[in-house]
Amino acid sequence: DAKTTQPPSMDCAEGRAANLPCNHSTISGNEYVYWYRQIHSQGPQYIIHGLKNNETNEMASLIITEDRKSSTLILPHATLRDTAVYYCIVRSGQAGTALIFGKGTTLSVSS
Amino acid sequence: GAVVSQHPSRVICKSGTSVKIECRSLDFQATTMFWYRQFPKQSLMLMATSNEGSKATYEQGVEKDKFLINHASLTLSTLTVTSAHPEDSSFYICSARAPGLATDTQYFGPGTRLTVL
Repeated sequence: DAKTTQPPSMDCAEGRAANLPCNHSTISGNEYVYWYRQIHSQGPQYIIHGLKNNETNEMASLIITEDRKSSTLILPHATLRDTAVYYCIVRSGQAGTALIFGKGTTLSVSS
Repeated sequence: GAVVSQHPSRVICKSGTSVKIECRSLDFQATTMFWYRQFPKQSLMLMATSNEGSKATYEQGVEKDKFLINHASLTLSTLTVTSAHPEDSSFYICSARAPGLATDTQYFGPGTRLTVL
């Protein structure tokens, strides 16, 4: 699976949009981009995933560049409860492949 | 979304004892489950992949005789830490693959905090 690069930490003011970048320049054609987050002392929570097209759900939006070498997770209106470690993971579309976690980005949302 | 539970959420045991952790998929059948552990201030590390009805596949450096995994049904996988020692103290997290739901997404349990005295 391709490796990802994320900034170690980011800050965001409550109510503002949080834009979390991820670089995955070695991604291959059949690899998806997944985003999870982990709030302290809890299991990771699935946020969103995509292959080529931008995706949006009730939690966030995922913007993938046309060359697929980077992506951005957008939390449109961050709240204090969004403070967590956010993981960007590239994974093969092959069924049953495990997610391999990097160090992620610690997002701190403050009032 | 799919729900995965773990039991117990927290366990404290004496050195040398064995501890069993259960992972259940509550509203879907999981042919594949994964076990991770997480040490303080570190990321999740994959320990093993568990397929229903077959032997688990362990990652390099994980002792299969120490961390026994059983995946006897499509909704239950267990991890038994045998002869636990203080260095096994960690946060153990399972996940289950939900085929047919949103492109093979993995859903995680809430984790089990193991403390070995």
